[in-house]
Amino acid sequence: GESVGLHLPTLSVQEGDNSIINCAYSNSASDYFIWYKQESGKGPQFIIDIRSNMDKRQGQRVTVLLNKTVKHLSLQIAATQPGDSAVYFCAEDTGRRALTFGSGTRLQVQP
Amino acid sequence: EAGVAQSPRYKIIEKRQSVAFWCNPISGHATLYWYQQILGQGPKLLIQFQNNGVVDDSQLPKDRFSAERLKGVDSTLKIQPAKLEDSAVYLCASSLDQVAGTQYFGPGTRLLVL
Repeated sequence: GESVGLHLPTLSVQEGDNSIINCAYSNSASDYFIWYKQESGKGPQFIIDIRSNMDKRQGQRVTVLLNKTVKHLSLQIAATQPGDSAVYFCAEDTGRRALTFGSGTRLQVQP
Repeated sequence: EAGVAQSPRYKIIEKRQSVAFWCNPISGHATLYWYQQILGQGPKLLIQFQNNGVVDDSQLPKDRFSAERLKGVDSTLKIQPAKLEDSAVYLCASSLDQVAGTQYFGPGTRLLVL
C-alpha cells in the first residue's frame, strides 16, 4: 500500500519486545493529549488519551506517560506485534477544541 | 456502528481544475472536521463545524478552499482552482461533541494535482 510518510523517524523493534515512542509538544497550555495510529491507506485511529491532571494512563497493551515539566509524551506498547506496524502520531488539544498533530514516528516490527 | 465515510477515495486532476470531496460523519456527531495531510506530515486542521456553523476556519486558504455543512450532517470541501501543492490526503473526522479527543477519522481522499 501507499506509504503514509517517506521520511519519518523510524523505530524498528523485534516482535515481542516493548516499544516506546516519544513526542515533544509545544504548547504548555495544552490540557489534553491523544495518540493515534495510522496504517497505510487509512485514517488515524484513536489509541489512548490522557488529560493534563494525570501523568500515566494504561490501556490494553498500551501506556501513555505525560511529563508536563519538559512537555514530553510517550507511548509504550507491550509485546509488540506485527499488526502494530504503522505511523504513530501524538496530538494535543491547544484549547481551540481541535487537535494539533505532531510529525509522526514510523514503527516497524520485525518478525 | 458505521464509521466516517468519505468519497472519492482517490482523485487525480490537473492544476487550475476544481475538485470536491464529500464526507458523511458518524450518525449523531455534531462536530465535523476537515484536515489536510501532506505526505510525511501529521494532519493539519482546515475547518471545524459544530452542526451547520463554522467554529474555526482560521487555517483554511479561503482564496481557493471552501467548505459547507448546510444541514448539519454531510459536508463538502471544495478546491477551486487547485495548485500542485494541494496534493495531499484530505481527512474528515467527526466527534459527538466539542471534546477534541473523541474524534473519529474517515479513510481520507487522496488528491494528486498534476
